[in-house]
Amino acid sequence: EDQVTQSPEALRLQEGESSSLNCSYTVSGLRGLFWYRQDPGKGPEFLFTLYSAGEEKEKERLKATLTKKESFLHITAPKPEDSATYLCGTYSSASKIIFGSGTRLSIRP
Amino acid sequence: DAGVIQSPRHEVTEMGQEVTLRCKPISGHDYLFWYRQTMMRGLELLIYFNNNVPIDDSGMPEDRFSAKMPNASFSTLKIQPSEPRDSAVYFCASSAMARNEKLFFGSGTQLSVL
Repeated sequence: EDQVTQSPEALRLQEGESSSLNCSYTVSGLRGLFWYRQDPGKGPEFLFTLYSAGEEKEKERLKATLTKKESFLHITAPKPEDSATYLCGTYSSASKIIFGSGTRLSIRP
Repeated sequence: DAGVIQSPRHEVTEMGQEVTLRCKPISGHDYLFWYRQTMMRGLELLIYFNNNVPIDDSGMPEDRFSAKMPNASFSTLKIQPSEPRDSAVYFCASSAMARNEKLFFGSGTQLSVL
């Protein structure tokens, strides 16, 4: 069964404390692994798409990496404004966009 | 552009009542998606349209759910009759082309069925 699993469910960091969020996937034939950010009371907002193992993309303090089984979202020296839920997703074998349950990231000043 | 517009933002209703959620996609986007988000199940795709035609409704949980897209600028998701387990945030999203994972989401409708 096509599945996307994210860990941890929640992560609390001190401002400036770097860490990583994990997204593991089980789909046959990866056609893209993407990351979204969701702020409270709002819809998800697109961040990146990664297409092949070894690919990396960066945006400000965020860097996404991809292997054959998982993706990581590395956050370097985070600030309180980086607090949000981060969702990863991919295409299912039926070509539908499916998402993991997300990681709630909280950055304390 | 104003982005994807959903209404209402919040809906509280009683079990058995009909609920209609509304969505206006971004002008020029050919794909429209309805998702449901809960703590237990995360973000689930219910149905999506291409050029106003439903393409895949396999995520619609039951016959109580129906969705329409009468024109390129308007879609509805209807639940009749509603049940407490339908309580969730319902998102509408649109995208410009096929196989485009860059979806633009609305702010969602928070539905509470009592």
